[in-house]
Amino acid sequence: AQSVTQPDIHITVSEGASLELRCNYSYGATPYLFWYVQSPGQGLQLLLKYFSGDTLVQGIKGFEAEFKRSQSSFNLRKPSVHWSDAAEYFCAVGAGRDTDKLIFGTGTRLQVFP
Amino acid sequence: ETGVTQSPTHLIKTRGQQVTLRCSSQSGHNTVSWYQQALGQGPQFIFQYYREEENGRGNFPPRFSGLQFPNYSSELNVNALELDDSALYLCASSLGQGGINEQFFGPGTRLTVL
Repeated sequence: AQSVTQPDIHITVSEGASLELRCNYSYGATPYLFWYVQSPGQGLQLLLKYFSGDTLVQGIKGFEAEFKRSQSSFNLRKPSVHWSDAAEYFCAVGAGRDTDKLIFGTGTRLQVFP
Repeated sequence: ETGVTQSPTHLIKTRGQQVTLRCSSQSGHNTVSWYQQALGQGPQFIFQYYREEENGRGNFPPRFSGLQFPNYSSELNVNALELDDSALYLCASSLGQGGINEQFFGPGTRLTVL
Protein backbone atom coordinates (compact mmCIF):
# COMPACT_ATOMS: atom_id res chain seq x y z
CA ALA A 1 0.00 0.00 0.00
CA GLN A 2 1.13 3.51 -0.69
CA SER A 3 2.16 5.77 2.16
CA VAL A 4 3.59 9.23 2.68
CA THR A 5 5.91 10.35 5.46
CA GLN A 6 6.59 13.91 6.46
CA PRO A 7 9.25 13.56 9.15
CA ASP A 8 9.08 17.14 10.42
CA ILE A 9 5.96 17.98 12.39
CA HIS A 10 6.93 21.58 13.04
CA ILE A 11 9.58 23.82 11.48
CA THR A 12 10.49 27.35 12.47
CA VAL A 13 12.47 29.66 10.21
CA SER A 14 13.30 33.34 10.11
CA GLU A 15 11.83 35.50 7.40
CA GLY A 16 14.22 35.58 4.44
CA ALA A 17 15.78 32.24 5.28
CA SER A 18 15.64 29.27 2.94
CA LEU A 19 13.24 26.41 3.53
CA GLU A 20 13.14 22.71 2.81
CA LEU A 21 10.24 20.49 3.82
CA ARG A 22 10.80 16.77 3.54
CA CYS A 23 8.50 14.18 2.03
CA ASN A 24 9.12 10.48 1.49
CA TYR A 25 6.71 8.10 -0.16
CA SER A 26 6.33 4.37 -0.42
CA TYR A 27 5.21 2.97 -3.76
CA GLY A 28 6.67 0.49 -6.22
CA ALA A 29 6.53 2.76 -9.25
CA THR A 30 6.54 6.51 -9.72
CA PRO A 31 3.36 7.96 -8.26
CA TYR A 32 1.77 11.30 -8.92
CA LEU A 33 3.18 13.65 -6.27
CA PHE A 34 1.66 16.81 -4.88
CA TRP A 35 2.34 19.55 -2.36
CA TYR A 36 -0.59 21.43 -0.83
CA VAL A 37 -0.71 24.33 1.61
CA GLN A 38 -3.45 24.91 4.19
CA SER A 39 -3.84 28.21 6.01
CA PRO A 40 -6.03 28.42 9.13
CA GLY A 41 -9.70 28.23 8.22
CA GLN A 42 -8.89 27.57 4.59
CA GLY A 43 -9.08 24.58 2.33
CA LEU A 44 -6.07 23.08 0.64
CA GLN A 45 -4.33 24.93 -2.16
CA LEU A 46 -2.15 23.12 -4.68
CA LEU A 47 1.42 24.43 -4.74
CA LEU A 48 2.85 22.09 -7.36
CA LYS A 49 2.66 18.57 -8.75
CA TYR A 50 4.88 16.01 -10.47
CA PHE A 51 3.76 13.35 -12.90
CA SER A 52 6.76 12.72 -15.11
CA GLY A 53 9.58 14.47 -16.96
CA ASP A 54 11.84 17.10 -15.43
CA THR A 55 12.40 16.15 -11.81
CA LEU A 56 12.59 19.77 -10.65
CA VAL A 57 9.11 21.23 -10.57
CA GLN A 58 8.23 24.89 -10.20
CA GLY A 59 5.07 25.90 -8.40
CA ILE A 60 3.20 28.93 -7.22
CA LYS A 61 4.38 31.42 -4.60
CA GLY A 62 8.04 30.79 -5.43
CA PHE A 63 8.05 27.15 -4.32
CA GLU A 64 9.81 24.31 -6.09
CA ALA A 65 10.18 20.59 -5.42
CA GLU A 66 12.58 17.95 -6.60
CA PHE A 67 11.64 14.34 -7.26
CA LYS A 68 14.42 11.90 -6.38
CA ARG A 69 13.50 8.35 -7.37
CA SER A 70 16.51 6.79 -5.65
CA GLN A 71 15.47 8.32 -2.33
CA SER A 72 11.68 8.06 -2.84
CA SER A 73 11.56 11.72 -1.92
CA PHE A 74 9.79 14.84 -3.11
CA ASN A 75 11.09 17.69 -0.96
CA LEU A 76 9.64 21.17 -1.14
CA ARG A 77 11.95 24.17 -1.20
CA LYS A 78 11.81 27.93 -1.19
CA PRO A 79 14.92 30.14 -1.31
CA SER A 80 13.55 32.98 0.81
CA VAL A 81 10.57 32.57 3.12
CA HIS A 82 8.00 35.32 3.67
CA TRP A 83 5.91 35.75 6.83
CA SER A 84 2.81 34.94 4.76
CA ASP A 85 4.19 31.44 4.11
CA ALA A 86 3.34 30.40 7.68
CA ALA A 87 0.84 27.56 7.24
CA GLU A 88 0.49 23.79 7.23
CA TYR A 89 2.07 21.96 4.30
CA PHE A 90 0.96 18.57 3.09
CA CYS A 91 2.65 16.18 0.71
CA ALA A 92 0.35 13.76 -1.10
CA VAL A 93 0.59 10.88 -3.55
CA GLY A 94 -1.80 9.38 -6.04
CA ALA A 95 -0.87 6.04 -7.50
CA GLY A 96 -1.85 3.23 -9.80
CA ARG A 97 -5.39 3.52 -11.10
CA ASP A 98 -6.26 6.02 -8.37
CA THR A 99 -4.00 8.96 -9.04
CA ASP A 100 -6.72 11.35 -7.87
CA LYS A 101 -7.60 9.52 -4.66
CA LEU A 102 -4.87 11.16 -2.70
CA ILE A 103 -2.94 9.81 0.25
CA PHE A 104 -1.68 12.63 2.40
CA GLY A 105 1.14 12.88 4.88
CA THR A 106 0.50 14.17 8.38
CA GLY A 107 1.71 17.63 7.48
CA THR A 108 4.45 20.04 8.53
CA ARG A 109 3.53 23.22 10.34
CA LEU A 110 5.71 26.12 9.28
CA GLN A 111 6.22 29.03 11.62
CA VAL A 112 8.02 32.16 10.35
CA PHE A 113 9.68 34.64 12.68
CA PRO A 114 10.32 38.25 11.62
CA GLU B 1 -16.01 31.76 -11.53
CA THR B 2 -17.22 30.52 -8.14
CA GLY B 3 -14.94 28.16 -6.28
CA VAL B 4 -15.88 25.13 -4.25
CA THR B 5 -18.26 25.95 -1.43
CA GLN B 6 -19.31 23.85 1.54
CA SER B 7 -22.11 24.13 4.05
CA PRO B 8 -22.47 24.42 6.90
CA THR B 9 -19.20 25.87 8.15
CA HIS B 10 -19.51 24.37 11.60
CA LEU B 11 -21.78 21.73 13.05
CA ILE B 12 -22.23 20.20 16.49
CA LYS B 13 -23.98 16.85 16.88
CA THR B 14 -24.30 14.20 19.55
CA ARG B 15 -23.35 10.54 19.36
CA GLY B 16 -25.82 8.43 17.43
CA GLN B 17 -27.22 11.29 15.40
CA GLN B 18 -27.06 11.63 11.63
CA VAL B 19 -25.51 14.49 9.67
CA THR B 20 -25.54 15.74 6.07
CA LEU B 21 -22.77 17.92 4.68
CA ARG B 22 -23.05 19.71 1.36
CA CYS B 23 -20.61 20.66 -1.34
CA SER B 24 -21.06 22.77 -4.46
CA SER B 25 -18.42 21.99 -7.02
CA GLN B 26 -16.64 24.53 -9.15
CA SER B 27 -18.44 25.39 -12.36
CA GLY B 28 -18.01 22.69 -15.00
CA HIS B 29 -16.45 20.16 -12.63
CA ASN B 30 -18.04 16.71 -12.79
CA THR B 31 -15.96 14.94 -10.15
CA VAL B 32 -16.21 15.44 -6.40
CA SER B 33 -14.05 13.80 -3.75
CA TRP B 34 -14.58 13.89 0.01
CA TYR B 35 -11.84 13.80 2.62
CA GLN B 36 -11.85 13.61 6.42
CA GLN B 37 -9.17 15.57 8.27
CA ALA B 38 -8.88 14.75 11.97
CA LEU B 39 -7.13 17.26 14.21
CA GLY B 40 -3.38 17.21 13.63
CA GLN B 41 -3.64 14.77 10.73
CA GLY B 42 -3.59 14.90 6.98
CA PRO B 43 -6.80 14.46 5.01
CA GLN B 44 -8.03 10.90 4.43
CA PHE B 45 -9.90 9.95 1.28
CA ILE B 46 -13.51 8.92 1.95
CA PHE B 47 -15.00 8.49 -1.53
CA GLN B 48 -15.33 10.06 -4.94
CA TYR B 49 -18.30 10.71 -7.22
CA TYR B 50 -18.05 11.01 -10.97
CA ARG B 51 -21.14 11.91 -12.97
CA GLU B 52 -23.45 10.86 -10.12
CA GLU B 53 -21.84 7.45 -9.58
CA GLU B 54 -19.53 6.44 -6.74
CA ASN B 55 -16.07 6.01 -8.21
CA GLY B 56 -13.84 4.69 -5.48
CA ARG B 57 -14.00 4.51 -1.72
CA GLY B 58 -11.44 4.70 1.03
CA ASN B 59 -11.34 2.75 4.27
CA PHE B 60 -14.54 4.12 5.77
CA PRO B 61 -17.54 2.13 7.07
CA PRO B 62 -20.87 2.02 5.19
CA ARG B 63 -22.43 4.55 7.58
CA PHE B 64 -20.50 7.09 5.49
CA SER B 65 -22.50 7.53 2.31
CA GLY B 66 -22.86 10.11 -0.39
CA LEU B 67 -24.73 11.45 -3.36
CA GLN B 68 -23.95 13.50 -6.39
CA PHE B 69 -26.68 15.45 -8.10
CA PRO B 70 -27.16 16.26 -11.81
CA ASN B 71 -25.60 19.69 -11.26
CA TYR B 72 -22.58 17.83 -9.79
CA SER B 73 -23.05 19.18 -6.28
CA SER B 74 -22.64 16.51 -3.63
CA GLU B 75 -23.67 15.43 -0.16
CA LEU B 76 -21.86 13.43 2.47
CA ASN B 77 -24.07 11.62 4.97
CA VAL B 78 -22.86 10.08 8.18
CA ASN B 79 -25.18 7.89 10.25
CA ALA B 80 -24.82 6.80 13.86
CA LEU B 81 -22.21 9.43 14.64
CA GLU B 82 -19.28 8.45 16.83
CA LEU B 83 -16.93 10.69 18.78
CA ASP B 84 -14.11 9.84 16.36
CA ASP B 85 -16.11 11.34 13.50
CA SER B 86 -15.20 14.78 14.86
CA ALA B 87 -13.08 16.28 12.09
CA LEU B 88 -12.85 18.78 9.27
CA TYR B 89 -14.60 17.41 6.20
CA LEU B 90 -13.22 18.66 2.91
CA CYS B 91 -14.63 18.28 -0.53
CA ALA B 92 -12.70 18.78 -3.72
CA SER B 93 -13.90 19.08 -7.28
CA SER B 94 -12.11 18.51 -10.56
CA LEU B 95 -12.79 18.53 -14.29
CA GLY B 96 -12.51 14.78 -14.52
CA GLN B 97 -10.97 11.67 -13.07
CA GLY B 98 -7.27 11.12 -12.68
CA GLY B 99 -4.56 12.97 -10.86
CA ILE B 100 -3.75 14.99 -13.94
CA ASN B 101 -6.88 17.04 -13.23
CA GLU B 102 -6.26 19.49 -10.41
CA GLN B 103 -8.53 19.10 -7.42
CA PHE B 104 -9.87 22.35 -5.99
CA PHE B 105 -10.71 22.13 -2.30
CA GLY B 106 -13.46 23.87 -0.41
CA PRO B 107 -12.90 25.46 3.03
CA GLY B 108 -14.40 22.48 4.81
CA THR B 109 -17.09 21.76 7.37
CA ARG B 110 -15.95 21.40 10.97
CA LEU B 111 -18.00 18.64 12.62
CA THR B 112 -17.92 18.19 16.39
CA VAL B 113 -19.54 15.11 17.90
CA LEU B 114 -20.28 15.28 21.62
